[in-house]
Amino acid sequence: AQTVTQSQPEMSVQEAETVTLSCTYDTSESNYYLFWYKQPPSRQMILVIRQEAYKQQNATENRFSVNFQKAAKSFSLKISDSQLGDTAMYFCAFMRSNTGTASKLTFGTGTRLQVTL
Amino acid sequence: GAGVSQSPRYKVAKRGQDVALRCDPISGHVSLFWYQQALGQGPEFLTYFQNEAQLDKSGLPSDRFFAERPEGSVSTLKIQRTQQEDSAVYLCASSLGDTGVVREQYFGPGTRLTVT
Repeated sequence: AQTVTQSQPEMSVQEAETVTLSCTYDTSESNYYLFWYKQPPSRQMILVIRQEAYKQQNATENRFSVNFQKAAKSFSLKISDSQLGDTAMYFCAFMRSNTGTASKLTFGTGTRLQVTL
Repeated sequence: GAGVSQSPRYKVAKRGQDVALRCDPISGHVSLFWYQQALGQGPEFLTYFQNEAQLDKSGLPSDRFFAERPEGSVSTLKIQRTQQEDSAVYLCASSLGDTGVVREQYFGPGTRLTVT
């Protein structure tokens, strides 16, 4: 079974600053995917960024980037130039790579990020 | 449709009542997932459909939980004889589900169930 751990229940960052959210995971799988999801107070979960485990290059999406350390089983999210709209719960999630069927997501417990003026 | 929709958005049930939660996935999405999110926690997997076939129900916490997707589109999660520990937000997600291709899961807004 896979486990995902987010050790920071809450984080705060000032607008325009940079913040890094931590995530570690445990798995015996060799092929898998990692995700960061954002859940604003309205509760609709939105995909922020994804990383394929077989890719060494870290994924980047505009102000969002990850630091993927496969050997350490670490997958942190960096948010640059933080904006008020980034205030939300952030969940790290793991998905094993299946052939033939889709796969479920295994989530961490989340980090509540507050962006302040 | 424009996105995944769920109804009702809020449901209050007295302990022992049966409830039915509905999910309308994005049109054409083959895969459909149900997750349970307790207060202050991350979502936890309940069950998964590929079209009308329920391929994984390993996350259903008890036999009081039942899910169906009879025509491979709309899905219903039913909870019988609700108990207080069933209070949570129930999230539905859908994806294209192409075999061998990892597709993003699109989430609905959830149904907040409160059992009193």
